[in-house]
Amino acid sequence: DVKVTQSSRYLVKRTGEKVFLECVQDMDHENMFWYRQDPGLGLRLIYFSYDVKMKEKGDIPEGYSVSREKKERFSLILESASTNQTSMYLCASSFYGDGYTFGSGTRLTVV
Amino acid sequence: GENVEQHPSTLSVQEGDSAVIKCTYSDSASNYFPWYKQELGKRPQLIIDIRSNVGEKKDQRIAVTLNKTAKHFSLHITETQPEDSAVYFCAASRGNTGFQKLVFGTGTRLLVSP
Repeated sequence: DVKVTQSSRYLVKRTGEKVFLECVQDMDHENMFWYRQDPGLGLRLIYFSYDVKMKEKGDIPEGYSVSREKKERFSLILESASTNQTSMYLCASSFYGDGYTFGSGTRLTVV
Repeated sequence: GENVEQHPSTLSVQEGDSAVIKCTYSDSASNYFPWYKQELGKRPQLIIDIRSNVGEKKDQRIAVTLNKTAKHFSLHITETQPEDSAVYFCAASRGNTGFQKLVFGTGTRLLVSP
């Protein structure tokens, strides 16, 4: 069974902390994505990557950065967490031309 | 860029009824339209998808139709069951050389009452 694994299911962080969200896929997919999911807003794309060390901004990249040093791993970094970054974060991966496989999500609360 | 609108935001039906969720997209070059189902507390999962060279696709009780001229596509669920209760997301993308960056609708919460 193909898998996308997000390292944490729940996280609570303090304002101003640097936060790392990790995502690992075992499907040898080229493409990886980070979305945030908020009620009434659907899934909004933060960053994506189509190859190792490649990254592209999505629709809401402000306050975030990413790292993709290995094909299977895509990390989302909140440089200085703020309360408006409290959300559900979903990682996904895909092979060219196919639909996404999502991870289980990380619910981040910033206090 | 692409914009996807989804309606309704909530939909309540009785078990056995049909349910229809509609989406419109703005980019006429979009060519891939998947639908995802997200049960409470779980990850979104792909349930059906359609490409722009096809007008309709069925898989048991679910079907998707695509009208490229009007730039809209719909999810149809027949003989609904309580386990169909979930949030459904439509999405669209333009994959030219194979890279698919999906733009999602805002979701429809479907409640099927026994």
